[in-house]
Amino acid sequence: GNSVTQMEGPVTLSEEAFLTINCTYTATGYPSLFWYVQYPGEGLQLLLKATKADDKGSNKGFEATYRKETTSFHLEKGSVQVSDSAVYFCALWVPPGGTSYGKLTFGQGTILTVHP
Amino acid sequence: GAVVSQHPSRVICKSGTSVKIECRSLDFQATTMFWYRQFPKQSLMLMATSNEGSKATYEQGVEKDKFLINHASLTLSTLTVTSAHPEDSSFYICSARPWFGDNEQFFGPGTRLTVL
Repeated sequence: GNSVTQMEGPVTLSEEAFLTINCTYTATGYPSLFWYVQYPGEGLQLLLKATKADDKGSNKGFEATYRKETTSFHLEKGSVQVSDSAVYFCALWVPPGGTSYGKLTFGQGTILTVHP
Repeated sequence: GAVVSQHPSRVICKSGTSVKIECRSLDFQATTMFWYRQFPKQSLMLMATSNEGSKATYEQGVEKDKFLINHASLTLSTLTVTSAHPEDSSFYICSARPWFGDNEQFFGPGTRLTVL
């Protein structure tokens, strides 16, 4: 089956530090990959996505590259801000087929705290 | 665009009562809506997938008689937690997938249910 494994948190950084959150996946077929962010008390927001190998998704200074050879989609940001403190979820989506219904499969989430 | 709302945002109820949570796509029609449950500091667990006009498909281990889902229209799905107990206390999040586009899901802000 499909699965997503994220680096365990929590991650605590100082403002302007470099961020990496690792994400690896197992999937049948050709998945699309996503990073979602969840701010305290809120639902999920799509941060970035990549739909095929070697695609780079980017948004708000965050980047992630779809690496098929290593089955990875690591999230990076060169200089984090206090406002980036949130929970980050890596996810994959495989087109509907059989009983999959095109469901998103989420990683366990990584809590990021950025201090001034 | 692509806004999903949930109502209520928070609800506290007594054990044994039923609670209804609404999920609405405000500016698009959603062929499919998803209901997730999130425990504190944990990932999202897909509970069920609902398509407008048909019965919901529940994930393994989710009691369909406990968590009633009605997808009455292309913009509204409801989740009713019947005979709620303290162990049903959780954060419930819905998402909606438009009939157009590349199968992206848009998430609601979540509903915090507390059962006393």
